[in-house]
Amino acid sequence: DIDMTQSPVTLSVSPGDRAVLSCRAGHSVGSNLAWYQQKPGQPPRLLIYGVSTRAAGVPARFSGSGSGTEFTLIISSLQSEDFALYFCHQYNFWPQSFGPGTRLDLK
Amino acid sequence: QVQLAESGGGMVQPGKSLTLSCTASGFAMRNHVMHWIRQAPGKGLEWVAAVWFDGSNKFYGDSVKGRFAIARDNVKSTVSLVMSGLRVNDTAMYFCARQLTTVNRHLDYWGQGVLVTVSS
Repeated sequence: DIDMTQSPVTLSVSPGDRAVLSCRAGHSVGSNLAWYQQKPGQPPRLLIYGVSTRAAGVPARFSGSGSGTEFTLIISSLQSEDFALYFCHQYNFWPQSFGPGTRLDLK
Repeated sequence: QVQLAESGGGMVQPGKSLTLSCTASGFAMRNHVMHWIRQAPGKGLEWVAAVWFDGSNKFYGDSVKGRFAIARDNVKSTVSLVMSGLRVNDTAMYFCARQLTTVNRHLDYWGQGVLVTVSS
């Protein structure tokens, strides 16, 4: 099974800041990596798939990069609606797996 | 529009069984691999199971293998999760999700989820 880790666990930032979230896979997952955003009481929302492709309707301030085992989600200028939980997801191998999440908190 | 609606949740005693259902609408479910993912209260996401287009292949997470069974009915556009031998740590919100394609295997639509509580 592929273990996924994320760092930091919590990131305290201010509106307008740049946020950098990291995800690491225990084995290369190629480009089969997605990012999801989750707000309280809601299901996850797809943000990024294939490492760097934004899903429909996702603002351009969200960008993804990386390959193999190291991946990054960058939010270039945080808006109030971006404070949420973020999960990475590898879908290269069965069983699929998610990272434990990074919480973006208001500083 | 694409919609996924889970049902069947509730409170159940340890060791008992429960069946969850996900009803798809707004798209041809037969063209998509379907997944179940769960989230324990205050915790992260855990991938649970997936079923191939025609039900011919099924995949399970290690923590549910041998206890849970996923199935689908493409005529009714439903996906089910039969959960047996339930444990307290199976308590979670269970989400149904759609895989986009066999090439782009990310999960592009999710249901609102259904809560399962396992407690004596």
